[in-house]
Amino acid sequence: IAGITQAPTSQILAAGRRMTLRCTQDMRHNAMYWYRQDLGLGLRLIHYSNTAGTTGKGEVPDGYSVSRANTDDFPLTLASAVPSQTSVYFCASSDSGGRADEQFFGPGTRLTVL
Amino acid sequence: GQNIDQPTEMTATEGAIVQINCTYQTSGFNGLFWYQQHAGEAPTFLSYNVLDGLEEKGRFSSFLSRSKGYSYLLLKELQMKDSASYLCAVTGGDYKLSFGAGTTVTVRA
Repeated sequence: IAGITQAPTSQILAAGRRMTLRCTQDMRHNAMYWYRQDLGLGLRLIHYSNTAGTTGKGEVPDGYSVSRANTDDFPLTLASAVPSQTSVYFCASSDSGGRADEQFFGPGTRLTVL
Repeated sequence: GQNIDQPTEMTATEGAIVQINCTYQTSGFNGLFWYQQHAGEAPTFLSYNVLDGLEEKGRFSSFLSRSKGYSYLLLKELQMKDSASYLCAVTGGDYKLSFGAGTTVTVRA
């Protein structure tokens, strides 16, 4: 059982390019999340999905979009990358988005935008 | 909005005890989590408190006072492998986690 996986592990991207970060979980969790982690700022929520077919905006959604076509996958897209989106991106999942459940995190994607 | 404060760094000796404090001001409260994150790795769950008091789990304990907006994580019998960042995270009224910036603990021999 893999739990939650992310791809790619790391990526260097030219500014203005489009990029999709992939996230897949096999725990049949209803809720999924995308965070970015920057030094001194901690983890900040970008977008979330409480259940397949629904998404919501987190604290820092601008410049990012998500989709949740099925339970397992929750891709994060940067339509036109900018250097301020250089960060480590973590995907997470939990059994429910409507209560205080433990979140399980993927290994992260280190993204550099030049 | 959410405001979560914890110290940036702490250093302790192997075998000692370290207490990491976390204070918070949030819109609604549905519990407080502590996560451990080793350098270059994903955060992993340590503890969850929703009622006042102390929760003990092996060498790690977590305390919560809702009236004071305060929690601490206590690490006993420190080991070198405990060198990591410790993240305080509060579940707000919308059941979404808000994280503090994390406390980096360095354990020295």
